[in-house]
Amino acid sequence: GIQVEQSPPDLILQEGANSTLRCNFSDSVNNLQWFHQNPWGQLINLFYIPSGTKQNGRLSATTVATERYSLLYISSSQTTDSGVYFCAVVLTGGGNKLTFGTGTQLKVEL
Amino acid sequence: DGGITQSPKYLFRKEGQNVTLSCEQNLNHDAMYWYRQDPGQGLRLIYYSQIVNDFQKGDIAEGYSVSREKKESFPLTVTSAQKNPTAFYLCASSVGRTGYLTGELFFGEGSRLTVL
Repeated sequence: GIQVEQSPPDLILQEGANSTLRCNFSDSVNNLQWFHQNPWGQLINLFYIPSGTKQNGRLSATTVATERYSLLYISSSQTTDSGVYFCAVVLTGGGNKLTFGTGTQLKVEL
Repeated sequence: DGGITQSPKYLFRKEGQNVTLSCEQNLNHDAMYWYRQDPGQGLRLIYYSQIVNDFQKGDIAEGYSVSREKKESFPLTVTSAQKNPTAFYLCASSVGRTGYLTGELFFGEGSRLTVL
């Protein structure tokens, strides 16, 4: 099956720092989403971004489907950004199954 | 407010016991899903339902059962046949049958099950 790898697995930042999270996938996809899971377990969708670039406040994401990766940028990080960031993909021609990566655990410190 | 409510948040059970996790949504969503999350891993799909009285197995359905008698409710039973039931369980719902594909996937706060 498709492999979805995220890096780095863990990241510690000082408040105000910027960061880039990466999602690599092993096959062609027609769907990619980024999620944030807060420290209490709640997951929310950040971006639906099968290709191109999107921005939402301090967060932005870029997907280069032809090169099989996506990047999530966090600027001016805040403690509320802490948690786990997941990317999830749907394999092209593989039905509608959403496959999640293993996540990047982010901790933002004061 | 509209949303997804999971209960209980924490649950302990002894080996050999069945346990049912509740998931209720008032978003009027057609589709509902159950995911399992283990430490350091992504989410894996257990079961999903796109319409009342119909549901499909996901990737790891063995040892689990579900029902969808009402649009608002999608309970998950973790049976004694599930070999490693200790995990964090997340329920989700989406608009229509394919809403989850376009980011319209909404999650509950999860239920943490520990088998003693």
